[in-house]
Amino acid sequence: SSELTQDPAVSVALGQTVRITCQGDSLRDSYASWYQQKPGQAPVLVMFGKNNRPSGIPDRFSGSSSGNTASLTITGAQAEDEADYYCNCRGNSGFHWMFGGGTKLTVL
Amino acid sequence: QLQLVQSGAEVKKPGASVKVSCKASGFTFSSYYMHWVRQAPGQGLEWMGIINPSGDRTNFAQKFQGRVTMTRDTSTSTLYMELSSLRPEDTAVYYCARDNSAISGYQYWWFDPWGQGTLVTVSS
Repeated sequence: SSELTQDPAVSVALGQTVRITCQGDSLRDSYASWYQQKPGQAPVLVMFGKNNRPSGIPDRFSGSSSGNTASLTITGAQAEDEADYYCNCRGNSGFHWMFGGGTKLTVL
Repeated sequence: QLQLVQSGAEVKKPGASVKVSCKASGFTFSSYYMHWVRQAPGQGLEWMGIINPSGDRTNFAQKFQGRVTMTRDTSTSTLYMELSSLRPEDTAVYYCARDNSAISGYQYWWFDPWGQGTLVTVSS
């Protein structure tokens, strides 16, 4: 399959934990990377590889993977985490990449 | 400071072509693969293609094959993406992004940094 599937929208109460998931066959062979995008801004990398956070990304962000599913977890969500989140993965059939459809996170 | 600075917004008529540039600084441009990604208004991110460090190999998403050209100029650390036969549905923000897989020995793939984006509007 050449698709990555994400829930269109997820909400979380301030300070609570939320998991954003991404499903696809390619995730069995490649780790996902995750991007946060706020309105009118370019995407920002928040997670890559097994569970690697770029410098400057708070440690409340963590990543995991199992089978055909990758997850981005925010432990203790903050108001500033409200954004769209996209997963990305290299396709398993060649030199190409794909994005999930994105998850809109609302912090209540 | 790693930075990708893209060219300004463009307005094109259907059937025309557009060429977007992306100037890199703060890293050795000639060592990295580079990607182009686009985002239509209110829609998600869409991967368009990749170019290798030397610029002699590209690979594109199937929907763009035959219409997109990606090139790079090492002397000016600038990446280019040209899309031809434009149609209204090509209206989108186009982003360049650095591929970092070499850093991990090609174990992982991730896009960072990203350019600020270039809005291309296709309208008659």
